[in-house]
Formats: sequence, structure tokens, C-alpha cells
Amino acid sequence: AQTVTQSQPEMSVQEAETVTLSCTYDTSESNYYLFWYKQPPSRQMILVIRQEAYKQQNATENRFSVNFQKAAKSFSLKISDSQLGDTAMYFCAFIPSQGGSEKLVFGKGTKLTVNP
Amino acid sequence: DAGITQSPRHKVTETGTPVTLRCHQTENHRYMYWYRQDPGHGLRLIHYSYGVKDTDKGEVSDGYSVSRSKTEDFLLTLESATSSQTSVYFCAIGRASTDTQYFGPGTRLTVL
Repeated sequence: AQTVTQSQPEMSVQEAETVTLSCTYDTSESNYYLFWYKQPPSRQMILVIRQEAYKQQNATENRFSVNFQKAAKSFSLKISDSQLGDTAMYFCAFIPSQGGSEKLVFGKGTKLTVNP
Repeated sequence: DAGITQSPRHKVTETGTPVTLRCHQTENHRYMYWYRQDPGHGLRLIHYSYGVKDTDKGEVSDGYSVSRSKTEDFLLTLESATSSQTSVYFCAIGRASTDTQYFGPGTRLTVL
């Protein structure tokens, strides 16, 4: 069974600084997708970034980027120039790309607070 | 916002009563999902649907059933609610692996 581990239950950062959230996963699959989702206090889940395991290049979306280390099964999220609106729960998630399964597995989340 | 709504948004019920939550979409997505969110557990998949009348179980499906008789609606039923089913329930649309998955606003269910 696949598992996703987020080892930092809570983190804080000053506005305009950079923060990195950690995620590791366990799988025997060779092809899969990894995601970071954001859940602000409004409770709405929002996709931040997606990474396909067969792609060497790390995904980026504006101020959000990932450091994908396939051999280490690590998928960290870097937020640059942190903004107050980045305050949220962040969830790492995994899904295999083969076998037809559509069962997304989430980590337990990291609560990020951006301080003014 | 993606056209996805959940009803009711809040519900308080008693142990042993049946409960049905509704997810409605206007996006014509083939895939629909039900998750529950509990403190310390993140989101966990209950059931999902990949078409009308086509469903599959997730990791926490015990005590839940689903139905999808038309594309736009995906119903989650607790046949006999228990206190352990107190949670926030999220519906999502869009294929989890290859599409952007859009989530509904959630339903907070309390079972007394």
C-alpha cells in the first residue's frame, strides 16, 4: 500500500521569506503522480502543483516549486516570497499512473502560518 | 469556481439514523469522489465513481454506500450513522490522476 508522510505538522514563516514543506512517500510503482494541495481557512481544497514521476524536471507554478527526488521518494514544496494568503494547510498526495486506480492518497498535512 | 455543490452543508444527527449527502456538479465530469477529513488524518477516500452506475471503494468505505444514477449527482449514504462518522465530507470532481481535481465546499456532519 502506498503511504504519504508529512513530517512537519506545523510551520511558520515571515512574509516575503521562503519556506519548504517536506513530503516523503512509499511505493513500489515506477510511474505515478504527486500533488500538493492547499486548504486555506475557508476549507476549500485547491490544487497547487502536480508532478509526473517520469518527468525529470521539477514542476513550478509561479512562486511554488517542487524538489522531486525520485530515488529518495521525496517531494518537497518550496514557497518563495511568502504572502499572508499562503496561510493554509498543505497536503501532499500520491496516485499511481498505472493499473487504472484513481485512489488519491493524502498525507496528514502541514499547517503553514505566514506572519506579517 | 467549478460548478460543484454539496448539500446539506451542515447536519447533526443521532446514532443509528440513515444520512444521505448529495454532491451535484454542472461540469459533466465523468469522475466524482467522496472523501472524509478528520484531524490528524488528512483526507481519506471513501468511494469514487467513474461513470453512471460505476463506482469503486476507497480506503475507508466500511459503513458507507454510494449511488450515481446520473452524471451530475453522486450520493453518499450512511445506512446507520455512528459517532465515528462525525467528520467533514468533501466531494470532488475530475479524474484524480490526469485532471485538476475540484473540491466542493464540504459538509460538516455530527453524529451524536
